[in-house]
Amino acid sequence: AQSVTQLGSHVSVSEGALVLLRCNYSSSVPPYLFWYVQYPNQGLQLLLKYTTGATLVKGINGFEAEFKKSETSFHLTKPSAHMSDAAEYFCAVNRNTGGFKTIFGAGTRLFVKA
Amino acid sequence: SAVISQKPSRDICQRGTSLTIQCQVDSQVTMMFWYRQQPGQSLTLIATANQGSEATYESGFVIDKFPISRPNLTFSTLTVSNMSPEDSSIYLCSVVRQGATHEQFFGPGTRLTVL
Repeated sequence: AQSVTQLGSHVSVSEGALVLLRCNYSSSVPPYLFWYVQYPNQGLQLLLKYTTGATLVKGINGFEAEFKKSETSFHLTKPSAHMSDAAEYFCAVNRNTGGFKTIFGAGTRLFVKA
Repeated sequence: SAVISQKPSRDICQRGTSLTIQCQVDSQVTMMFWYRQQPGQSLTLIATANQGSEATYESGFVIDKFPISRPNLTFSTLTVSNMSPEDSSIYLCSVVRQGATHEQFFGPGTRLTVL
């Protein structure tokens, strides 16, 4: 069975500071990993994804994440936070092996202080 | 990407009534899903909407409470039946496009409040 753990339900950073949102997963097969962002009163938007190949993946809005198999992690980073980054972030895992089901983490709310 | 619209965007309903939520996609998709997001929580999969056949429900969700239709490759409905305040949530439609089986797209959601 697959699972996702996001460390920290709330993260607060100052504008211009590094953003680090942590995600660990468990999976019995090589996973596909995703980060989604949800702005207030909106649906989910895909930030980035890892399926195969390069383990450092770049997404929209300056975000990137690195797949580390040895650590079973897929942490999301951004070098410099912007006020517009304030949102809820969800890490997710799926693997389309005979059945499609995405498992979402509990989410991390990012606050950005001026 | 896929453009997904949901109707209504929000509603306030009385307990005991039912609400049908519509999901329309701008292109044919292989899979459609319905999720529930309770206040301050993550997403929970309700069911997979299957074209022309009964939906596949996750544990804890039943057809009598959440009947789902999917008459074609671009449209689905979710009905929340005999509502109670515990059904107050955001309901999200999600799709997987043909040829992109590992990537999901989400609709804007329907915010439901049950009084």
